[in-house]
Amino acid sequence: SQQGEEDPQALSIQEGENATMNCSYKTSINNLQWYRQNSGRGLVHLILIRSNEREKHSGRLRVTLDTSKKSSSLLITASRAADTASYFCATSSGAGSYQLTFGKGTKLSVIP
Amino acid sequence: IAGITQAPTSQILAAGRRMTLRCTQDMRHNAMYWYRQDLGLGLRLIHYSNTAGTTGKGEVPDGYSVSRANTDDFPLTLASAVPSQTSVYFCASSDSSRGEQFFGPGTRLTVL
Repeated sequence: SQQGEEDPQALSIQEGENATMNCSYKTSINNLQWYRQNSGRGLVHLILIRSNEREKHSGRLRVTLDTSKKSSSLLITASRAADTASYFCATSSGAGSYQLTFGKGTKLSVIP
Repeated sequence: IAGITQAPTSQILAAGRRMTLRCTQDMRHNAMYWYRQDLGLGLRLIHYSNTAGTTGKGEVPDGYSVSRANTDDFPLTLASAVPSQTSVYFCASSDSSRGEQFFGPGTRLTVL
């Protein structure tokens, strides 16, 4: 069963605007990761946030984690047409477990 | 070039036939994974291997088998393909000390 659920399922914005995607999960986690998938391609890792972290930045990406609400958000600032892709959150649970459970993804369209 | 390769890129297969999807990584990662991606369902874990010589079942293992004879290779076998196994299959690997997974380009499999 899916651990993470992304919201919204689809998002369409103008170039230059910020895009925010949310992820909710059900059980306790070790870390939460965000991945990007361009159409027809494999997933690419974007950022990992550990359960004891609340916020992390990487370039134009900002991820927050609220373990009390079992939720995370991914913010892409100053979006570009090249950011058009599907974005997935994935959670890692259990000590010693390397497995990830993925959500169904948010499809982001950035209009030039 | 470091990374993960998958073969074939795509395949059309008659129901009942046996098929092996190949996956090779050259990053010396200890853990490897097979996922299937279906429209609207995100990625679901089929089988995984935490280290050479060991394998485990994921969320949707039925109808699939894997082996991990060495660090680099992790083939996925469909013993007798059925139409419900039509999907895009992704192989991934990770260094367990880091957490993030690296994905191959995928194999698009159609079972008729």
